Amino acid sequence: GQQVMQIPQYQHVQEGEDFTTYCNSSTTLSNIQWYKQRPGGHPVFLIQLVKSGEVKKQKRLTFQFGEAKKNSSLHITATQTTDVGTYFCAGQKSGGYQKVTFGTGTKLQVIP
Amino acid sequence: SAVISQKPSRDICQRGTSLTIQCQVDSQVTMMFWYRQQPGQSLTLIATANQGSEATYESGFVIDKFPISRPNLTFSTLTVSNMSPEDSSIYLCSASGGYEQYFGPGTRLTVT
Repeated sequence: GQQVMQIPQYQHVQEGEDFTTYCNSSTTLSNIQWYKQRPGGHPVFLIQLVKSGEVKKQKRLTFQFGEAKKNSSLHITATQTTDVGTYFCAGQKSGGYQKVTFGTGTKLQVIP
Repeated sequence: SAVISQKPSRDICQRGTSLTIQCQVDSQVTMMFWYRQQPGQSLTLIATANQGSEATYESGFVIDKFPISRPNLTFSTLTVSNMSPEDSSIYLCSASGGYEQYFGPGTRLTVT
């Protein structure tokens, strides 16, 4: 079945440092979504990428979809303590409705 | 966006018993899903709750163990049957009207 892996599994950064998480799918995707889950909370949708090579920005967050539509990345510039949480990518295969497969997640800890 | 509520928020149950989790969405949605999440782990899809028909289960999950109902476009239930300690987890309801998924706050289940 489809597998979606993320690296790193954990990341500790000093506040103000940058952070990047990488997402890799075993199959070509129709689209990829990113979610953030705060400690003790539930996943919250951040963004969806659809086009090959697409780049989207949300303030300090930059999302990228690979040219082959099998990988993606999330980059946070100048992390803040409010960025703490686990970031999940979620990939959807093409062909009618396909379920979303969540990645393994990257847990970000920001040290003030 | 959609706001999702779940009941109960947590429960401690004895092995061999069953628990029904309720999920209510504040608007009509096309898709509803049930996930399981172990602490510190990713989300595993249990099934897609189909309105007016039998749920679609993922590999490793069966209807006898996790019966699901979805009587209308805003409500669904998941029953965890004949529970064992291995069923201890967080169960999340999710809904989607387009591409993004909204999640409920989760039900933390402990089986003793």
